[in-house]
Amino acid sequence: GAGVSQTPSNKVTEKGKYVELRCDPISGHTALYWYRQSLGQGPEFLIYFQGTGAADDSGLPNDRFFAVRPEGSVSTLKIQRTERGDSAVYLCASSPGAGGTTDTQYFGPGTRLTVL
Amino acid sequence: KNEVEQSPQNLTAQEGEFITINCSYSVGISALHWLQQHPGGGIVSLFMLSSGKKKHGRLIATINIQEKHSSLHITASHPRDSAVYICAVRTYGGSQGNLIFGKGTKLSVKP
Repeated sequence: GAGVSQTPSNKVTEKGKYVELRCDPISGHTALYWYRQSLGQGPEFLIYFQGTGAADDSGLPNDRFFAVRPEGSVSTLKIQRTERGDSAVYLCASSPGAGGTTDTQYFGPGTRLTVL
Repeated sequence: KNEVEQSPQNLTAQEGEFITINCSYSVGISALHWLQQHPGGGIVSLFMLSSGKKKHGRLIATINIQEKHSSLHITASHPRDSAVYICAVRTYGGSQGNLIFGKGTKLSVKP
């Protein structure tokens, strides 16, 4: 398919464990975004990449959260020492990257993370 | 107080009705997004606008920068329009990814 894909679709882990969430953007999209959405809330910005570099990581809540995009395509969001409060749907989006008013974001289906 | 407020939180309409969802924000913005989220989580971007009005099919989005307000209108609503509609803003000077989201308006259109 040509859309944004995320794996796994569901992840259940225990408090204190390490998890990695993967995002495959649309081919050719230079911009990639991570958001998280808690139940009943709107999404919340985490980090945004332009190419391989994090252009804005101001939304990462603390140093347990880290994301990489080493080759400018696939991105991995890494969460260390997970806490129950990290439970949410983690959304990834990509866009062609121009940043202007036509730079539509295309969202993936999300990864539902549950920390027990 | 949230920087992006949507109203109503929940909306039930009969098929064919004209629907309006409102978004007010308290920060300076460079762009505003309207998104549609279906049950199960999939999000689709409907509009991104910084001024005036945009139309796509039965959907119309307007923005008044001076009043810090945007509306999303759906004409001739249909049950397939049932979804959560989310308003999000890019703050002035903020990066294109750093969006502030409203909590969403849950729309249910009855046949």
